[in-house]
Amino acid sequence: QKEVEQNSGPLSVPEGAIASLNCTYSDRGSQSFFWYRQYSGKSPELIMFIYSNGDKEDGRFTAQLNKASQYVSLLIRDSQPSDSATYLCAVNPPFQKLVFGTGTRLLVSP
Amino acid sequence: EAGVTQFPSHSVIEKGQTVTLRCDPISGHDNLYWYRRVMGKEIKFLLHFVKESKQDESGMPNNRFLAERTGGTYSTLKVQPAELEDSGVYFCASSRSLNPGYEQYFGPGTRLTVT
Repeated sequence: QKEVEQNSGPLSVPEGAIASLNCTYSDRGSQSFFWYRQYSGKSPELIMFIYSNGDKEDGRFTAQLNKASQYVSLLIRDSQPSDSATYLCAVNPPFQKLVFGTGTRLLVSP
Repeated sequence: EAGVTQFPSHSVIEKGQTVTLRCDPISGHDNLYWYRRVMGKEIKFLLHFVKESKQDESGMPNNRFLAERTGGTYSTLKVQPAELEDSGVYFCASSRSLNPGYEQYFGPGTRLTVT
């Protein structure tokens, strides 16, 4: 079992729709959870982080965490073509390193 | 504020040769991390420096990899001798704090191709 699991996609949504990206993790001791966006050939860029159960909103982005289910998600409202990228879920176990999923490729069509 | 920089951006070497990758973290960031992404796989942690000390090197694949951070500023990652399976993108990241929710800022990566 991988430490962090994501559906590789691609997830295709029309412009203006809500994109829902999901991630599960195996280490119950994980403390912090991150969503990175990576455009092709570029470095990962942090979008959101969350470490408490529930929802955290930042603009068009909402991160949701359920530690009991070991599940974290990212919702993107009013999706734009410029949101098309690979979204990486990363988990911080009880050490400082990040453990990444393989990423979900999102395609937003105009 | 300048971001994390890495050099070179791309390196092509033959199996058995040596390559040294360099990372310059953001000024003032004590924490420096090396990660690697092999094609088709997830980004994987290699090691973590706090200043010049290795905090965690549990992800280093084998003793062909040597990382240094003399003086606690820039870091180098040497691969000697390189093998075909070492091909991938090597990312460096830095962060100021170890507290929860800290952001690790990633560099553009070095794409290493071993032929």
